Amino acid sequence: DIQMTQSPSSLSASVGDRVTITCRASQSISSYLNWYQQKPGKAPKLLIYAASSLQSGVPSRFSGSGSGTDFTLTISSLQPEDFATYYCQQSYSTRFTFGPGTKVDIK
Amino acid sequence: QLQLQESGPGLVKPSETLSLTCTVSGGSISSSSYYWGWIRQPPGKGLEWIGSIYYSGSTYYNPSLKSRVTISVDTSKNQFSLKLSSVTAADTAVYYCARHRLRRLGSPPGWFDPWGQGTLVTVSS
Repeated sequence: DIQMTQSPSSLSASVGDRVTITCRASQSISSYLNWYQQKPGKAPKLLIYAASSLQSGVPSRFSGSGSGTDFTLTISSLQPEDFATYYCQQSYSTRFTFGPGTKVDIK
Repeated sequence: QLQLQESGPGLVKPSETLSLTCTVSGGSISSSSYYWGWIRQPPGKGLEWIGSIYYSGSTYYNPSLKSRVTISVDTSKNQFSLKLSSVTAADTAVYYCARHRLRRLGSPPGWFDPWGQGTLVTVSS
């Protein structure tokens, strides 16, 4: 299976901060990388698909980049509603796997 | 707007079979652009993909669960279902269903969107 790792596992940030989360695959996955946001007690929500495509309705402060094994999710200016856990997911292999998550909380 | 809703028992005894159904509304499960997937999340932990099914019945399963999992589809009811056999406490989780979009027509699926609200299944005697 393709293993996904994320760093950091958690971070504390303030409203207005620029936040970057990294996801790394154990082998090249081209651009088959997706990002989700999950708030407590809620289902995950798709933010970014195919590494850099913004899902309809998602604010433009979210962006994704990368290819191969290294990917980043960037929030350009953190808003109060962005405090959540973020997961990456690879879809290069049909053994679909998620990263362990990055929790973003309030500093 | 497409919506998915999971249903089924919230409590299952060890060694028995967990059965859940996902009802799709606001769109057809027979669309050629989508698979339909199950994902679970143990309390306080991360996400684990269980398997996905196409309206034709074609499936992908997580190899670590494949021996215990059956996913089926009922296009007449716009539903798909999950059966997980021989459950243990380790199968206690919130179970989500989600639409699993093809990367492009004729290719495997890629991302999950939207998701159902999830249902907690506890395995306990």
